[in-house]
Amino acid sequence: IAGITQAPTSQILAAGRRMTLRCTQDMRHNAMYWYRQDLGLGLRLIHYSNTAGTTGKGEVPDGYSVSRANTDDFPLTLASAVPSQTSVYFCASSLETGHNEQFFGPGTRLTVL
Amino acid sequence: GQNIDQPTEMTATEGAIVQINCTYQTSGFNGLFWYQQHAGEAPTFLSYNVLDGLEEKGRFSSFLSRSKGYSYLLLKELQMKDSASYLCAVEDSNYQLIWGAGTKLIIKP
Repeated sequence: IAGITQAPTSQILAAGRRMTLRCTQDMRHNAMYWYRQDLGLGLRLIHYSNTAGTTGKGEVPDGYSVSRANTDDFPLTLASAVPSQTSVYFCASSLETGHNEQFFGPGTRLTVL
Repeated sequence: GQNIDQPTEMTATEGAIVQINCTYQTSGFNGLFWYQQHAGEAPTFLSYNVLDGLEEKGRFSSFLSRSKGYSYLLLKELQMKDSASYLCAVEDSNYQLIWGAGTKLIIKP
């Protein structure tokens, strides 16, 4: 792989179900991010990780959790999905936190019914 | 609160010049980014300004005035492939990006 990948590409999920969105990068970037993008709104930060082993909460963390066991992977879990979590989810990475360009994955389109 | 404002939509003609404005009010400032996002795709980096002034990169230029909380992206010699949304984002005091809702640019032949 080259760059940053996400899986699945899209998913339809019943409310109340658990779902993990996967994100992997091979650029050896220290910082990783999860955003959601909704029509008419800017990208909103859900969770971030400045380096492997650490995570932090962004602007809209409720209902989501993340882990960063290694440099490459940064999965996002919805413990019990709700319709308001219907969105396009983007994972991104940057070499370091701050003053650095973020590289984005292709996104996951999630629909919660 | 934190706020990034940019026009929702703009229309321009192929070959022309267009300026997309962005104003911001954030808790701290560590730089301003512009990204391009084609429909159904991921954002891609265009420019980064941390000091006042103009940064030129080919057909694209970005300007920053920190005292006015203002930036613009200037696109010259517009091509049909420039039809996309342009996202303004400010890095705040916590080094997190605060994003505007984006400006959809429509290019007409």
